[in-house]
Amino acid sequence: DIQLTQSPSFLSASVGDRVTITCRASQGIRSYLAWYQQKPGKAPKLLIYAASTLQSGVPSRFSGSGSGTDFTLTISSLQPEDFATYYCQQLNSYPPVTFGPGTKVDIK
Amino acid sequence: VQLVESGGGLVQPGRSLRLSCAASGFTFDDYAMHWVRQAPGKGLEWVSGISWNSGKIDYADSVKGRFTISRDYAKNSLYLQMNSLRAEDTALYYCAKAKFPIGTQYYFDYWGRGTLVTVSS
Repeated sequence: DIQLTQSPSFLSASVGDRVTITCRASQGIRSYLAWYQQKPGKAPKLLIYAASTLQSGVPSRFSGSGSGTDFTLTISSLQPEDFATYYCQQLNSYPPVTFGPGTKVDIK
Repeated sequence: VQLVESGGGLVQPGRSLRLSCAASGFTFDDYAMHWVRQAPGKGLEWVSGISWNSGKIDYADSVKGRFTISRDYAKNSLYLQMNSLRAEDTALYYCAKAKFPIGTQYYFDYWGRGTLVTVSS
């Protein structure tokens, strides 16, 4: 199975900061990668799919890039509502779908 | 779109439980559906998926042979029959809809709120 790693596992940032989260796949997954945001007590929310396509209704401050094994999620200007845990997901080698371990973004 | 899970609860190890997910607001027949779980304080783990026409069914290795996914098109419902439950199956179980119809690109654009399964004696 393809493994996903995320870095950092935790980051502390301030409102207005530019934040970048990295997801690395154990083997190439082309562009079959998604990013989700999860807030405490809530279901995950799809932000980005196909590595760089913004899901409808998601603010444009979120962007994704990468292909193959290395991917990034960038929040251009962190807003109070963006403090959450972010997960990457690959579906290139289905089954299974796999998720990264998550990156928690906290308030500095 | 609305996905509403039910059927969770406290169950002893080795026993069974059946989860349900009632879907509305989209053409249920056209989309693959999946179960994803999250153990308390942990990350997301894909459990099982069923294609739009039930022709392809898949399971995570951790549940293969114990869990069975199914869907009822007349009731717009998804199910997960869980047998031989173990303590490590304790989690919040989410029902999730595939974003694209018919195909096999399993991005999940809608999720339910989840139903909690606790396996303990």
